[in-house]
Amino acid sequence: GENVGLHLPTLSVQEGDNSIINCAYSNSASDYFIWYKQESGKGPQFIIDIRSNMDKRQGQRVTVLLNKTVKHLSLQIAATQPGDSAVYFCAENRGTSYGKLTFGQGTILTVHP
Amino acid sequence: DAMVIQNPRYQVTQFGKPVTLSCSQTLNHNVMYWYQQKSSQAPKLLFHYYDKDFNNEADTPDNFQSRRPNTSFCFLDIRSPGLGDAAMYLCATSREEEQFFGPGTRLTVL
Repeated sequence: GENVGLHLPTLSVQEGDNSIINCAYSNSASDYFIWYKQESGKGPQFIIDIRSNMDKRQGQRVTVLLNKTVKHLSLQIAATQPGDSAVYFCAENRGTSYGKLTFGQGTILTVHP
Repeated sequence: DAMVIQNPRYQVTQFGKPVTLSCSQTLNHNVMYWYQQKSSQAPKLLFHYYDKDFNNEADTPDNFQSRRPNTSFCFLDIRSPGLGDAAMYLCATSREEEQFFGPGTRLTVL
């Protein structure tokens, strides 16, 4: 069935390295994507979003890349810090006008000092 | 400054004993969602309200019900909790495309 999935369930990096978290989606009707960060015991927190008419969007230390040809989404975190350790979820909006989302599997990012 | 508030943060109930989880929001968003999240898994949408219209996901068990008495509040009722219902329950809101999440309620079933 259609889903949003992640290639790597865990990612370990050293402090200061750049991190790349990947996500594959299969619904070509999806037109809006969000990356969420979820720390242990907390709700998901918005990081960055991107619309399907864009292929790149930058925030503070984070960049989201969207490749619609291969239905792939990635989150890049520059100069990763221990505070970035969390689970990262991608989520897609499959064309609704409001915020109903379908979540991907999640990637656990661990940053070692 | 809280936007989506969930109470309680931790809830313990007994097998088969009804339990209600609460969510409130100060964002005046018209859509409210309830998710179930088990350990190391993605949030799973149970249902959502678009204004007063209730939208149940096809695979949500009948054991889970919801009420939305007004724009600000939404409740999740678990009629007969089983051990498999132990999870984090997340409430979220949206007006447009971004969802805002509460901190969640951790439910333990004894």
